[in-house]
Amino acid sequence: EVSLVESGGGLVQPGGSLRLSCAASGFTFSNYWMDWVRQTPGKGLEWVANINPYGSEKYYVDSVRGRFTISRDNAKSSLYLQMNSLRAEDAAVYYCAKVMYNSGLSYFDYWGQGTLVTVSS
Amino acid sequence: QLVLTQSPSASASLGASVKLTCTLSSGHSSYAIAWHQQQPEKGPRYLMKVNGDGSHNKGDGVSDRFSGSSSGAERYLTISSLQSEDEADYYCQTWAPGMPYVFGTGTKVTV
Repeated sequence: EVSLVESGGGLVQPGGSLRLSCAASGFTFSNYWMDWVRQTPGKGLEWVANINPYGSEKYYVDSVRGRFTISRDNAKSSLYLQMNSLRAEDAAVYYCAKVMYNSGLSYFDYWGQGTLVTVSS
Repeated sequence: QLVLTQSPSASASLGASVKLTCTLSSGHSSYAIAWHQQQPEKGPRYLMKVNGDGSHNKGDGVSDRFSGSSSGAERYLTISSLQSEDEADYYCQTWAPGMPYVFGTGTKVTV
């Protein structure tokens, strides 16, 4: 059974840093693209970043590029998101998601339960 | 620009059916989409992928009460024999090479 478990969320001041982790199990982690998606009440679901199976390709939404860094450790079946220079608008529930590609569509076939990030002074 | 449009809400009685719509923006009517369910206080759950020809691929353990279909730029999710646990937000999602993933704004289903 596939499981994705996020951790590392919490309260941080504007300008601060936080590192999110996602522990994966139930599938061969090293074979799949992995993503971070966040959700805020006002903006709904927003894709944040993704990384290829080897960790050599990384992509970010414009609003976090240069501040967030996605990484992975295939030996530990773990995904990470280092978030620096946090802003109020980064406050959200952050989800780890496994990617599936099928017949021209890339989509999220498994999601974690999420970890809450609050940015406030 | 690739955009997905969803109605904010839908409602139906216990045991009835409800059909949700996700509309692809102009120029993207052939795209496939994925439907995700989010029950209160939970992470999203993948339900199915719906192709432009109406065929669909369900996720693991998804009930037969959920089905997908297509017409033109519209992609549908039909929930039959509505149960209380179907009360949730439903999001559609799509993707194009080189583009960020796109989500609809979600439809809240009330049973």
